Amino acid sequence: QSVLTQPPSVSGAPRQRVTISCSGGNSNIANYDVHWFQQFPGKAPKLLIQLDDVLSSGVSDRFSGSKSGTSASLVISGLQSEDEAVYYCAAWDDSLSGVVFGGGTKLTVL
Amino acid sequence: EVQLVESGGNLVRPGGSLTLSCTVSGITFNSYWMSWVRQAPGKGLEWVANINRDGSEKNYLDSVKGRFTISRDNARASLYLQMNSLRGDDTAVYYCARDGSREGNLDYWGRGTLVTVSS
Repeated sequence: QSVLTQPPSVSGAPRQRVTISCSGGNSNIANYDVHWFQQFPGKAPKLLIQLDDVLSSGVSDRFSGSKSGTSASLVISGLQSEDEAVYYCAAWDDSLSGVVFGGGTKLTVL
Repeated sequence: EVQLVESGGNLVRPGGSLTLSCTVSGITFNSYWMSWVRQAPGKGLEWVANINRDGSEKNYLDSVKGRFTISRDNARASLYLQMNSLRGDDTAVYYCARDGSREGNLDYWGRGTLVTVSS
């Protein structure tokens, strides 16, 4: 059971927009920055969005992040087949004194 | 070019020990927090530990406290994870990553090294 809650899977057709949610609490998301990672099978994760909504260098602007209260969201616009991957959110948790990850969301492009 | 290269992964028996290393190049190593993150086969990411720039502050996942020790050698631009009393649920690919802020802003990652704990 992850401290941050993500849906196990989402899907969308090419060119559509999908949203991946990340739900936490006052000890993490509400008071600390949220970061989003993309991971392809057999590869290391890649930072997509840092500090809630800052796009990492070289990442397509089809990706965007936001946060409100104890929840954060990753939005992928103009879906492409190459976006098929697993996406993770992460944040510092001050009750655990550590970084916590969401369980990951597998994105399928139909 | 930024490179993080992990090494030291191996097959080890339950109760055994192992030390992982991560050699970093292309960045000013001593300017950043560093983290270890693991991923069990078919599972999600799990943060393990991090260490501040001079090694004076360390944080650990509860399940590894007292068993794992993170350390660094800034002169060698290297990060380490000493793992003792290994258990089956420690089996995972272990990644080292640069943390821009201590709080999970993991902007550069290595390719990982596999630790298998089995008899």
